[in-house]
Amino acid sequence: QSAVTQPASVSGSLGQSITISCTGTSSDVGYYNYVSWYQHHPGKAPKLLISDVSNRPSGVSSRFSGSKSGRTASLTISGLQPEDEADYYCSSYTSSSTLVFGTGTKVTV
Amino acid sequence: EVQLVESGGGVVQPGGSLRLSCAASGFTFGAFAMHWVRQAPGKGLEWVALISGDGEDTKYADFVKGRFTISRDRITDSLFLHINNLRAEDTALYFCAKDSGDYGDYVCDSWGQGTLVTVSA
Repeated sequence: QSAVTQPASVSGSLGQSITISCTGTSSDVGYYNYVSWYQHHPGKAPKLLISDVSNRPSGVSSRFSGSKSGRTASLTISGLQPEDEADYYCSSYTSSSTLVFGTGTKVTV
Repeated sequence: EVQLVESGGGVVQPGGSLRLSCAASGFTFGAFAMHWVRQAPGKGLEWVALISGDGEDTKYADFVKGRFTISRDRITDSLFLHINNLRAEDTALYFCAKDSGDYGDYVCDSWGQGTLVTVSA
């Protein structure tokens, strides 16, 4: 399966905004608007933040937003809070009818 | 409230087999597709397999190569993953996750906390 790449780490200060990129290929991120984002605090269950590029499920803070341009999707976290320190993963549906996760990004506040 | 509780992990010798289970509650189990996702120590999330709500359709990651079988039981609201010929690289925390649709929207909207599989002699 193709690799979907994310930066290994991103850091920001309290209250700042950061953006995490998710770069795929024309067989996944670049072709389908089926990109999701997950937050994972180690030792806990991962949590869905964004689906279908920019759809935020009920209960997810409006500080999280998603977008996509070409083969790159992005997650923006605005007004960084201490609890945002976690690992973040994108995922995309693929042309093989499978799911591929990004390599993951550790966010440090 | 959706609850997913995995079990069945443990220490297994290379070449051995294992059946992981996921007990689901808080939603109409048969109306949603389900996934298995794994995370090797110090690594990222890796998608393993999907099964449709009616159990008729399954999809697998390329690395599975016939060693993994996903299944479900609508009577006991349980999801399973059978793994044969276990290898060291299968050592991971295995999560079950609920899909947002019946045939697979490929959105994992609820997750369990995982069960750890360690393959070691």
